[in-house]
This record gives sequence, structure tokens and C-alpha cells, in this order.
Amino acid sequence: GNSVTQMEGPVTLSEEAFLTINCTYTATGYPSLFWYVQYPGEGLQLLLKATKADDKGSNKGFEATYRKETTSFHLEKGSVQVSDSAVYFCALSRSSGANSKLTFGKGITLSVRP
Amino acid sequence: EAGVAQSPRYKIIEKRQSVAFWCNPISGHATLYWYQQILGQGPKLLIQFQNNGVVDDSQLPKDRFSAERLKGVDSTLKIQPAKLEDSAVYLCASSFEGRGTEAFFGQGTRLTVV
Repeated sequence: GNSVTQMEGPVTLSEEAFLTINCTYTATGYPSLFWYVQYPGEGLQLLLKATKADDKGSNKGFEATYRKETTSFHLEKGSVQVSDSAVYFCALSRSSGANSKLTFGKGITLSVRP
Repeated sequence: EAGVAQSPRYKIIEKRQSVAFWCNPISGHATLYWYQQILGQGPKLLIQFQNNGVVDDSQLPKDRFSAERLKGVDSTLKIQPAKLEDSAVYLCASSFEGRGTEAFFGQGTRLTVV
């Protein structure tokens, strides 16, 4: 079946540090890959996505590249801010219709210190 | 554009009682999902509707959980009777049809069963 594995957390960084959050997946075919973020007290929201191999998703300074050869979709940011403190979820969906459901990783909590 | 609306935001009930959650998706979104998010874990799909038909309820505990989507718009998720392990955040999401389509999430209902 489909699954998503995220690195263990939590992660604590100082402001302006470089961030990498690892995500690997298991799925047949060519899933679409997503990063969702949950800020304190808010609902899940899409951060970025990629729908085919070698695509790079980017938003708010965050980037992730769909690597089919390593089945990975690692999230990176060059300089984190205190406002980036949140829970980050990697997810995949197989395709549309009945397979469009999202399969999530466990999530990782990021705390950024001033 | 109005987002996915859910109510109530919080609910505390005793075990063996019943509870219902309501969701109003984004206008025009054919697909509606209910996810269960237990503390420290990623969201897990309970049920997926396409318009008012069920396309995936494989992980719904059907002996106690039920859901309906009347007229392909609003949806209600019910638990009867509740167990302690049902304590979680229940998330509703909706999306357009299509590969790689983003799912939009509501703020969720936090259920505590005591």
C-alpha cells in the first residue's frame, strides 16, 4: 500500500538557520506529492506540491523536488523565521477519483528560536 | 472565497454517548473527505465522497461511525457509541476532481471522550 515516512522530530532551529525535513514515500505508479503545514491554532494548508518526477514545488521560500529515483520529497528552506514554527506533513495522492485521497506522514514539529 | 466550514470546534462527551460533526465544503468541490487525526500522528482517511456517493470508506469503523453527504454538498459524520480511543481531531476537506488537486481543510473538530 501507499505510505509516507518522515524524519523523527521535533526540530528546533535558530532563526536564519538552514532547514531540511526528510520525506520518503512508497507507492506504485506516479503519485503526486505534497507538503502541508499546520500553524498553531489553524487548519492544515497546502505549502507546496509536485505532480511529476523532477518537478520542484516552491512557496514562501520553501522548496521540495520530486525525486523518483530515491522516492523522496525533502523540504528545504535556506533561512527559517520564527513565523515558520509549525507542524509539517508530507503527503501523497495516487491520482484522481477514488485514488485521490491523501496519505500523510506522521508530521514533524518545527520550532524556530529568535 | 469561503473556506471549508466545520462545527463544532470542540466537543467533550462521555464514552458510550453519541456525537455528530458537520462540514460545509467549498462551493463547487465535488470531493469531500473526513480524516481522523490522533495526537502525534498524521491524518488518516475515514471516508471519501464524490458528490453524494461514497468512493472509499475502507477505514471507517462502520460498527460505530457513519457519514452522509446530502445532495452532494454538506456532510455529517456521526459516532455512536463513542469510545475513549475516538478522542482525536476530525478534519473535513474538499477538492475539485483531478490529479494532483489540492485538498482544502477545515479547522477541525477536537473531540475528547472521557
